[in-house]
Amino acid sequence: GAVVSQHPSRVICKSGTSVKIECRSLDFQATTMFWYRQFPKQSLMLMATSNEGSKATYEQGVEKDKFLINHASLTLSTLTVTSAHPEDSSFYICSARDTPRDRGGGYTFGSGTRLTVV
Amino acid sequence: DAKTTQPTSMDCAEGRAANLPCNHSTISGNEYVYWYRQIHSQGPQYIIHGLKNNETNEMASLIITEDRKSSTLILPHATLRDTAVYYCIVRGGNNAGNMLTFGGGTRLMVKP
Repeated sequence: GAVVSQHPSRVICKSGTSVKIECRSLDFQATTMFWYRQFPKQSLMLMATSNEGSKATYEQGVEKDKFLINHASLTLSTLTVTSAHPEDSSFYICSARDTPRDRGGGYTFGSGTRLTVV
Repeated sequence: DAKTTQPTSMDCAEGRAANLPCNHSTISGNEYVYWYRQIHSQGPQYIIHGLKNNETNEMASLIITEDRKSSTLILPHATLRDTAVYYCIVRGGNNAGNMLTFGGGTRLMVKP
């Protein structure tokens, strides 16, 4: 089935530094990818929709200058958390719609990245 | 996309069937019902989806009522590894831009 690879799985960074998270579709092309954030004991919250070759669409309340999204190819989207602060510590998850076939309900998720800012 | 309502938590004995309900009374005609689950500290995993007919795959069965206002996910023989949060999501048809919106889900605890 469709596979989405997300790296790194865990990262610890110092406050004020930037962290890049990669999301790759391994066996399909993803024109659209989604980035979610999940705080402990809460549900997934959509942060932004990433479209190949165009600017990402951010959800209300998500700072686009802080969470930089690049979707330069049909198999790779990256999320960069800039000038990270402890409140950015969270579980970040990407998802891709595996077009054109509707496999797996059409949405495959990465395994997530646990970001801890110290 | 239609909102869904699920119980916050449920328990199930190992080896028994787990029946997870979901209400989606405002669902519209072209909206699908999707079920995903999330095991602790992992990304969500697809289980099953359907439009109006009942569906079955190697993981589960999905029963959708005739009026489509509710559905039930059935795990026929629950194991300890099925302990997870189960999300029922309703979304529109084949619009490539539509994301999945997650509610609170049901925390299923399978007990020995």
